[in-house]
Amino acid sequence: DVKVTQSSRYLVKRTGEKVFLECVQDMDHENMFWYRQDPGLGLRLIYFSYDVKMKEKGDIPEGYSVSREKKERFSLILESASTNQTSMYLCASSSPLDDLAKNIQYFGAGTRLSVL
Amino acid sequence: QQPVQSPQAVILREGEDAVINCSSSKALYSVHWYRQKHGEAPVFLMILLKGGEQKGHEKISASFNEKKQQSSLYLTASQLSYSGTYFCGSEGISSASKIIFGSGTRLSIRP
Repeated sequence: DVKVTQSSRYLVKRTGEKVFLECVQDMDHENMFWYRQDPGLGLRLIYFSYDVKMKEKGDIPEGYSVSREKKERFSLILESASTNQTSMYLCASSSPLDDLAKNIQYFGAGTRLSVL
Repeated sequence: QQPVQSPQAVILREGEDAVINCSSSKALYSVHWYRQKHGEAPVFLMILLKGGEQKGHEKISASFNEKKQQSSLYLTASQLSYSGTYFCGSEGISSASKIIFGSGTRLSIRP
């Protein structure tokens, strides 16, 4: 079974703090993604990475950065958290090389971040 | 641009049928469907790769009209376990691996 693990289920931070959200997958997937989920807006892509040290902006990258130093780990960084970044954050991974499950995304359980 | 899903919400009685539609403004390589139960991670249901392809999963099936850039998810004889939010995801021809998800359709099944 593919497992995508997000380090925290709930986080409470203060405005202006630097926040790290961590995600680890155990299936040797090439692709990893960070989404933000808000009511009525669905899953919006923040950043994705298709290889170690490679990243590409998604639809809403402003205020976020990412880091992928190892294949299994993808970090989302809020340089200076703001209240409008209060949301549920979901990490996912996929492989473009798996014939049986090409590009199917496997999600973590999510981190609910509150910025006060 | 996000694909447009309709309806935004559906309430059914157990045993009733439902159709969820997904429409994209971009040419599609594939369409993915996922279901997210309350408090849980989204889970993959099915992927449609070819125009006109229909796939099934239990009593849940889907179709993909490549020319119209549309997909529909069909839930037949709904069960309580079908409750959740359904997302379609579009994978563009020029942006393989990257899926853009719709805003979701919340499905509630009542006994």
